[in-house]
Amino acid sequence: QSALTQPASVSGSPGQSITISCTGTSSDVGAYNYVSWYQQHPTKAPKLMIYDVGNRPSGVSNRFSGSKSGNTASLTISGLQAEDEADYYCKSYTVSNRYVFGTGTKVTVL
Amino acid sequence: QVQLVQSGAEVKKPGASVKVSCKASGFTFSWHHIHWVRQAPGQGLEWMGIINPSGDITSYAQKFQGRLTLTRDTSTSTAFMELSRLRRDDTAVYYCSRDLNYGGADYWGQGTLVTVSS
Repeated sequence: QSALTQPASVSGSPGQSITISCTGTSSDVGAYNYVSWYQQHPTKAPKLMIYDVGNRPSGVSNRFSGSKSGNTASLTISGLQAEDEADYYCKSYTVSNRYVFGTGTKVTVL
Repeated sequence: QVQLVQSGAEVKKPGASVKVSCKASGFTFSWHHIHWVRQAPGQGLEWMGIINPSGDITSYAQKFQGRLTLTRDTSTSTAFMELSRLRRDDTAVYYCSRDLNYGGADYWGQGTLVTVSS
């Protein structure tokens, strides 16, 4: 199972919106609406930001939103803030009853 | 409050095995799947496997088949990850996490550093 493909880095200025893509196949991202997104700051455990493509857990800012089209899922961060600078990973359930992470995207706030 | 507390750092020699524990509290342990994920130094997250609430069904990433064993003890609300035939490239931080719904992992342990070195 190959890792899902994410851009290595995305950057934006405070207040701007950015979108991170997560491209898989019809055997993972395209097969189910079970894509989740995680934020990870250095030396910290990952934090769930989005589950089931577009649902936010309690306590996560509504500046974070998720969507999916075909084999590509996306995470959008609106009103970018300095605290959003972190690594972001997508994860998908697959047809083989396994899971696969994306390659990870470093978000930089300029 | 929900907590997953993992066992401490380990140093192992190549070829040895390691067993990491993940003790849960603050929720009904027998209701949730548990994921295991690892992260090598400077690298991304890698999904290793998942164990179902009753502990009788597991699913492992293909690359760990035959080396990875996930178990859980409902009486102590503890999940375990055992990785055998360790190699240097198994050096990583290993995390357990609680599954919310088909992969959304909403609570994570603090991570356990496993170092494989001769």
